[in-house]
Amino acid sequence: NAGVTQTPKFQVLKTGQSMTLQCAQDMNHEYMSWYRQDPGMGLRLIHYSVGAGITDQGEVPNGYNVSRSTTEDFPLRLLSAAPSQTSVYFCASSYQALDRGTYEQYFGPGTRLTVT
Amino acid sequence: AQSVTQLDSHVSVSEGTPVLLRCNYSSSYSPSLFWYVQHPNKGLQLLLKYTSAATLVKGINGFEAEFKKSETSFHLTKPSAHMSDAAEYFCVVKGHNYGQNFVFGPGTRLSVLP
Repeated sequence: NAGVTQTPKFQVLKTGQSMTLQCAQDMNHEYMSWYRQDPGMGLRLIHYSVGAGITDQGEVPNGYNVSRSTTEDFPLRLLSAAPSQTSVYFCASSYQALDRGTYEQYFGPGTRLTVT
Repeated sequence: AQSVTQLDSHVSVSEGTPVLLRCNYSSSYSPSLFWYVQHPNKGLQLLLKYTSAATLVKGINGFEAEFKKSETSFHLTKPSAHMSDAAEYFCVVKGHNYGQNFVFGPGTRLSVLP
């Protein structure tokens, strides 16, 4: 049971480049989400998904796309990188249904992205 | 709408003295509440969670939190700080409605002085 995995761990992009951050979980969680972490701002929700084929925007979705074709995978795409997207990105997953108890989130190790 | 306020951005204590990290929340419904810890350059680890059962919640590494509905608070405490407790701590709220998201507070950085 690997939990939540993220790749890559580190990435440097030039302005205008695109890339995909990968996230996978092996716990059969319905809910998956992407956050960015910036100093003094906690974690801010970018996009989330409550199941395969269902995604929605969070607090800071501009410049990012997601899709959820399987329960396990939830990739985050940067369409045209900008210096303002320099951040640490965390993927997380949790159960969604109330009958599974109180559902804390499990986090991946993070991806540190620098856009120059 | 839900929100979380962490009243102190930075708390500094001496080793062996008590720790108090404050969290107040706003939620339309009876929420779930969590505390996470993040050590430097690491991921987030769950310390404890409130599940609407007991109002005093015990977590890992000697941490506790008490849910006080009348004060809309969920403060984190530890009787005696250890050097290894130095980290960033996040209070998180989630409503019970299907699809409601987790909302993070801005974090409190805990420093432990020798």
